[in-house]
Amino acid sequence: EAAVTQSPRSKVAVTGGKVTLSCHQTNNHDYMYWYRQDTGHGLRLIHYSYVADSTEKGDIPDGYKASRPSQENFSLILELASLSQTAVYFCASVDRGRDAETLYFGSGTRLTVL
Amino acid sequence: AQSVTQPDARVTVSEGASLQLRCKYSYFGTPYLFWYVQYPRQGLQLLLKYYPGDPVVQGVNGFEAEFSKSNSSFHLRKASVHWSDWAVYFCAVSMRSNYQLIWGSGTKLIIKP
Repeated sequence: EAAVTQSPRSKVAVTGGKVTLSCHQTNNHDYMYWYRQDTGHGLRLIHYSYVADSTEKGDIPDGYKASRPSQENFSLILELASLSQTAVYFCASVDRGRDAETLYFGSGTRLTVL
Repeated sequence: AQSVTQPDARVTVSEGASLQLRCKYSYFGTPYLFWYVQYPRQGLQLLLKYYPGDPVVQGVNGFEAEFSKSNSSFHLRKASVHWSDWAVYFCAVSMRSNYQLIWGSGTKLIIKP
């Protein structure tokens, strides 16, 4: 079973501050994703990566940066956090070569920006 | 535009009763469809998936879903729910061009004792 762990589980940040959300996977999957979930909405893709040292923009990348320093680690960075970025953030990984649409998710990070 | 609609934000059923969670999709072409479940304080996990073929697909824990091209639907069903089914259920369709998933807004299933 793929294991994806996110840290922190929850965080309170101040407007204008920098926030880093971390994700670590142990199954050597090539693709990793960052999604945000807002109440009443489905998951929206922020950034993704298919190889270390490379990231791609998803559907809503504005205000977010991503970093993939290794196969296992994928971070989401909010340089200047804003109130509108209050949400739950999920990281996921997938083995695109084997089963492209079975995503393995972390437990999420609940971010509150005040 | 491609989209997924889950019209019911919340569904409440009694333990032991049958269940149907609705999902409607809009997709140009042949859809590949998925149901994911999010148990409390956990991430999402795959429940079942439909690839073109038999319209009824079986998933884990007694769940099944039926694809209907004429109705553009992919409803999730279970004959008898258990309290452990209390969760949020997400329907999704795959953009086969890049394997990205388009997600519905989720349906929260609440089980009455």
